[in-house]
Amino acid sequence: EDQVTQSPEALRLQEGESSSLNCSYTVSGLRGLFWYRQDPGKGPEFLFTLYSAGEEKEKERLKATLTKKESFLHITAPKPEDSATYLCAVQASMDSNYQLIWGAGTKLIIKP
Amino acid sequence: DVKVTQSSRYLVKRTGEKVFLECVQDMDHENMFWYRQDPGLGLRLIYFSYDVKMKEKGDIPEGYSVSREKKERFSLILESASTNQTSMYLCASRWDRGGMNTEAFFGQGTRLTVV
Repeated sequence: EDQVTQSPEALRLQEGESSSLNCSYTVSGLRGLFWYRQDPGKGPEFLFTLYSAGEEKEKERLKATLTKKESFLHITAPKPEDSATYLCAVQASMDSNYQLIWGAGTKLIIKP
Repeated sequence: DVKVTQSSRYLVKRTGEKVFLECVQDMDHENMFWYRQDPGLGLRLIYFSYDVKMKEKGDIPEGYSVSREKKERFSLILESASTNQTSMYLCASRWDRGGMNTEAFFGQGTRLTVV
């Protein structure tokens, strides 16, 4: 069964303390992995798409990487405004062109 | 900027009522989606539409229906609201690029409470 698991469920960091969020997946034929950010009471906001193992993308303090089994979202020297829930989603195969498999998210809290 | 607008941020409805959630996008996207989001469960797909008047069931379509009469508008209908449909509902849209899953753009969400 196709599955996406995010860890940890919640992560509390001090401002400036770098860390990583994990998204592990078991799917038949990865066609794309997506990272989103969701602020409380709002819809998810797109961050990155990764398509193949070894690919990396960066945006400000965030860097996403991809292997054949998992993706990491690295956050470097985070600020309180980086606090949000980070969601990972995977497109698995040609049979599910329109469907993504979503993880439950990691709630990131950055304390000043 | 792409804009996906949901008609309500908060709704409170009574059990048994028929509920309409409206979503409009302004970027001429072919594909539109309705999800519900519950704590610890991630986003679950209710229905999606890949063209006007076309729809497909997602993972949890029971108790819901949809309508897409115009390309920019996708409506979710709760035929007879029940308390287990209390949730955050999210609408999304995206371009269709030959099967490749492009990024989706989400609305702000509708928090529905059924009492």
